[in-house]
Amino acid sequence: QQPVQSPQAVILREGEDAVINCSSSKALYSVHWYRQKHGEAPVFLMILLKGGEQKGHDKISASFNEKKQQSSLYLTASQLSYSGTYFCGTEHWGKLQFGAGTQVVVTP
Amino acid sequence: DSGVTQTPKHLITATGQRVTLRCSPRSGDLSVYWYQQSLDQGLQFLIQYYNGEERAKGNILERFSAQQFPDLHSELNLSSLELGDSALYFCASSDTGDPYEQYFGPGTRLTVT
Repeated sequence: QQPVQSPQAVILREGEDAVINCSSSKALYSVHWYRQKHGEAPVFLMILLKGGEQKGHDKISASFNEKKQQSSLYLTASQLSYSGTYFCGTEHWGKLQFGAGTQVVVTP
Repeated sequence: DSGVTQTPKHLITATGQRVTLRCSPRSGDLSVYWYQQSLDQGLQFLIQYYNGEERAKGNILERFSAQQFPDLHSELNLSSLELGDSALYFCASSDTGDPYEQYFGPGTRLTVT
């Protein structure tokens, strides 16, 4: 069962903040975040591992609540380059299942 | 540029036909993953190979098969194609057997008519 992302879409002005949430009904080993710009391939942003370790993007942060099986991605002081569709992926038994995506549009 | 290459970029074929999609991973990466992306299904994991062996299987139809060769490139074979198979097919690679930090290729757009 794929993770659930919210919101489905968000429109921001440059400099504004946004939070994208990802939740799963299954226990999670890790949560992965990718961004896909229109017409391009998904690009790895960040991974959050059980136990608190995280690796990834230096300007985008995320949190992982293992007990609640939830993760949140924080877009702070958004830039035009942040526009795209953000996917969270949850790992279960070595397989990544992606959510439906959150479309982010950052306007000048 | 992720370093992952996929060919062809576009494929247009008729129902019932068979096609082969090819993927070359980043230099040094041992794992190859295949994903299908369609408008109504999102990004779906199909299958993973690690150093030539099948590692994990997702929602891959029986009409689809894949393999990874000794030089680590991979092929995804789709047969008895149906209209619903039209989608963007991505290949990704990573350096380990775990699905961490995957690098995606540019994708192959398949159109079944």
